[in-house]
Amino acid sequence: QSALTQPASVSGSPGQSITISCTGTTSDIGAYNFVSWYQHHPGKAPKLIIYDVSFRPSGDSNRFSGSKSGNTASLTISGLQADDEANYYCSSYTTTNTWVFGGGTKLTVL
Amino acid sequence: QLQLQESGPGLVKPSETLSLTCMVSGGSISIRSSYWGWIRQPPGKGLEWIGNVYYSGSTSYNPSLQSRVTITVDTSKNQFSLKLTSVTAADTAVYFCARQASWADAFDIWGQGTMVVDSS
Repeated sequence: QSALTQPASVSGSPGQSITISCTGTTSDIGAYNFVSWYQHHPGKAPKLIIYDVSFRPSGDSNRFSGSKSGNTASLTISGLQADDEANYYCSSYTTTNTWVFGGGTKLTVL
Repeated sequence: QLQLQESGPGLVKPSETLSLTCMVSGGSISIRSSYWGWIRQPPGKGLEWIGNVYYSGSTSYNPSLQSRVTITVDTSKNQFSLKLTSVTAADTAVYFCARQASWADAFDIWGQGTMVVDSS
C-alpha cells in the first residue's frame, strides 16, 4: 500500500485560513468515509482532530474542519493561531482492512 | 482517563528483534469497541501504520512488514506488545502505541512514543 499524498508544507498568517489536501485512491479514501486527521507537535503524542472525514472529537476546536471529494480529503484550519504550527497527517482505512497514513504536512504560522 | 505508555530497549542490534510493550492504564484493554495499534515515524518522515490487535488476539498487519511483525495482547496485564524481527537501520524510528476506537474509526488516544535506534 502506498502512503497518501500530502503537500510537504503550507503556511499562513495568524487569523487566516489554510487547507491541506490528502490524495489517495479508490482503495482507501475513495472507498470509505474513514478519513482522519492528526496534529503532531514534535516530541508529543499525535492528537486526533478530525475523524470520519468531517467529525470533530467532543470539545475540540471548531476551527478545524474536514471534507472529502472522490479520492481526495481536505483539512481546513480557520483563524490560524501560533499554536497551530505543527505537522498534520491524514489517514484512511483501506479495502484490505489496513490503515494508511499520509507523508505529513508541516504548517508554518508566519 | 485512558493512557498508553510504551516501554522497551532504545537500542537494537542489526538483525536482532525489536520488542516493545504498551501499558494501558485508566481503562480495560478488553473492551469490545477498541483495537490496539502500533505506528512508527522514522526520522524526518511520516507516520507508518505497523498493525493492530484486538483483545481476542486477532491481528492485522501492514503488508510491507507482515513477514517480520508480531503483535500480541496480554489481557491479564492490560498491555499489548510488538515484536519486529531482523531489524535494520530502516527500522530506526519513534514507535507509538495507540487505541483505534470504533466510535471514531481512527486512532483517538496515543502514547508519547519511544525512540528505537539500530545500534549499527
